[in-house]
Amino acid sequence: DQQVKQNSPSLSVQEGRISILNCDYTNSMFDYFLWYKKYPAEGPTFLISISSIKDKNEDGRFTVFLNKSAKHLSLHIVPSQPGDSAVYFCAAFRGRAAGNKLTFGGGTRVLVKP
Amino acid sequence: NAGVTQTPKFQVLKTGQSMTLQCAQDMNHEYMSWYRQDPGMGLRLIHYSVGAGITDQGEVPNGYNVSRSTTEDFPLRLLSAAPSQTSVYFCASSKGTGVGETQYFGPGTRLLVL
Repeated sequence: DQQVKQNSPSLSVQEGRISILNCDYTNSMFDYFLWYKKYPAEGPTFLISISSIKDKNEDGRFTVFLNKSAKHLSLHIVPSQPGDSAVYFCAAFRGRAAGNKLTFGGGTRVLVKP
Repeated sequence: NAGVTQTPKFQVLKTGQSMTLQCAQDMNHEYMSWYRQDPGMGLRLIHYSVGAGITDQGEVPNGYNVSRSTTEDFPLRLLSAAPSQTSVYFCASSKGTGVGETQYFGPGTRLLVL
């Protein structure tokens, strides 16, 4: 039973437009949510995060929104650039009581067309 | 800093063989972990360690062993490889175990079990 789900396996967007990636979770005990970006043949790299007590966090072109009542978060990339083409993983974190574990979604492959 | 390094990059095993995937970090991080990535499944936690001499099981520990004799190294042992262990394996580390601690991932080891 996947606790973190990314229901769109892929997304194609034109350069300069907005990319919206979605993520749903089932466990209300998650403390923190993170997005990781992964290029082929490389490990995931941290992109942006949000605490469960906030509803928005912005870092340059990247904004993460959290809707706790809906157990849903989204990542907005504006404007999208060809270098953003990668696989994006949503991850949820539970603290010490749960072993400080990250639970990942299945990933969304983003293709930004020039 | 080299960050998190993993060897080998790629390995082919026959069913029943054993092998050790190596992971090392030079950032003096307390927390280290192993994940496997399978298509559509995201990254799943195999084992983790909160410090030298301390290890614990993650979500999918069966068929794998770990030890943490030093802060720097966290090898993953496959005792008797099975085709179901064909996957890409990532090692990760973080400075501590606090909420939202960023995990740094290695480049991965691609394993094929025939």
